[in-house]
Amino acid sequence: EPEVTQTPSHQVTQMGQEVILRCVPISNHLYFYWYRQILGQKVEFLVSFYNNEISEKSEIFDDQFSVERPDGSNFTLKIRSTKLEDSAMYFCASRLTENEQFFGPGTRLTVL
Amino acid sequence: GENVEQHPSTLSVQEGDSAVIKCTYSDSASNYFPWYKQELGKGPQLIIDIRSNVGEKKDQRIAVTLNKTAKHFSLHITETQPEDSAVYFCAPLGSSGNTPLVFGKGTRLSVIA
Repeated sequence: EPEVTQTPSHQVTQMGQEVILRCVPISNHLYFYWYRQILGQKVEFLVSFYNNEISEKSEIFDDQFSVERPDGSNFTLKIRSTKLEDSAMYFCASRLTENEQFFGPGTRLTVL
Repeated sequence: GENVEQHPSTLSVQEGDSAVIKCTYSDSASNYFPWYKQELGKGPQLIIDIRSNVGEKKDQRIAVTLNKTAKHFSLHITETQPEDSAVYFCAPLGSSGNTPLVFGKGTRLSVIA
């Protein structure tokens, strides 16, 4: 069964450093999402991406964040200058046309 | 935007008993109502969903019921097993198919053997 994959599974970085989180959505899907989950809290929407552009973003997704689909298979989330409060699990999700979103296993980001 | 409330926040049941988790939402235009299960260290996995033109849907031991008038939907798990222990999230979706999921705060279900 096709699945969303994410790398790395765990990323540790120093405050102020740039990180790139990578996702490979399900191959024929058209809509892509990033969500994050701070430890013990609910899953929060960051950004959605369709047709090579951002379609919606939340208040969390400020100028420090960017997304890219560089090669037609990968979908990346970049945080330019990480802050302590960026420490969280980051989930990528994708969907085809129906409502069901398929989630990846997540990347645990730890900012020291 | 959508305001989602989920109750209870924690639930402990004996193995074999039933569990019910309720989700209320605010956007009357919501038309898709999924439940996700999240096991420790993993991403959310869709376990069942229902669309607004249906009142109930069942898949083996799991069922979802929808009350659009009252704006709530519930997850029912019967004959619970230890492997049902996880955090469950509701995430109603608005009328525009590209809107993101808005997750509830989650319910931690513990099934005691």
